[in-house]
Amino acid sequence: SQQGEEDPQALSIQEGENATMNCSYKTSINNLQWYRQNSGRGLVHLILIRSNEREKHSGRLRVTLDTSKKSSSLLITASRAADTASYFCATDVSADKIIFGKGTRLHILP
Amino acid sequence: DAGVTQSPTHLIKTRGQQVTLRCSPISGHKSVSWYQQVLGQGPQFIFQYYEKEERGRGNFPDRFSARQFPNYSSELNVNALLLGDSALYLCASSSASGTRYGYTFGSGTRLTVV
Repeated sequence: SQQGEEDPQALSIQEGENATMNCSYKTSINNLQWYRQNSGRGLVHLILIRSNEREKHSGRLRVTLDTSKKSSSLLITASRAADTASYFCATDVSADKIIFGKGTRLHILP
Repeated sequence: DAGVTQSPTHLIKTRGQQVTLRCSPISGHKSVSWYQQVLGQGPQFIFQYYEKEERGRGNFPDRFSARQFPNYSSELNVNALLLGDSALYLCASSSASGTRYGYTFGSGTRLTVV
């Protein structure tokens, strides 16, 4: 079963535009993480936000978390061709386990 | 420093065979997790080991087993392979609690069952 669900499933934008993807989850969490995956390779950890945080920044990434709505968003500003990838949110369902959503496939058009 | 290494990178097996996948975590990382990722889906949790003890198991049949060695490397074994076991198998390591600090993933082993 999958705890998180990303929206949209796929997104195509022009280079330089901002990309926003959302994640909704079902049960209470302590932390939520976002990962990037290029072409079916390994996942790269982007950012972790704790349940007592509402917003976090890392370079061109901005993550928000709304625990009352059980949702998070990932904003990538000034997108680049290299940002083309799949993006996954992951939530902790126990002390030792995170569960991923199905991901958003982001395509940056030149 | 070397990242998480997985071997082999690609593998083709026949239905009914057995397969062993290997993972070496980042030096100093004591936790290893295994995930299965079917094409077009998110990774599905299979196992988590910490200090050689199983700490978590996902909803996978008993054909799937794993272990962690004293040097913290890990093996994932799958017996009686089915066509549906074709997937990318990912290993992730963390220093302590990956749920609190994040995981580092290997590039995966792509298993094809024919």
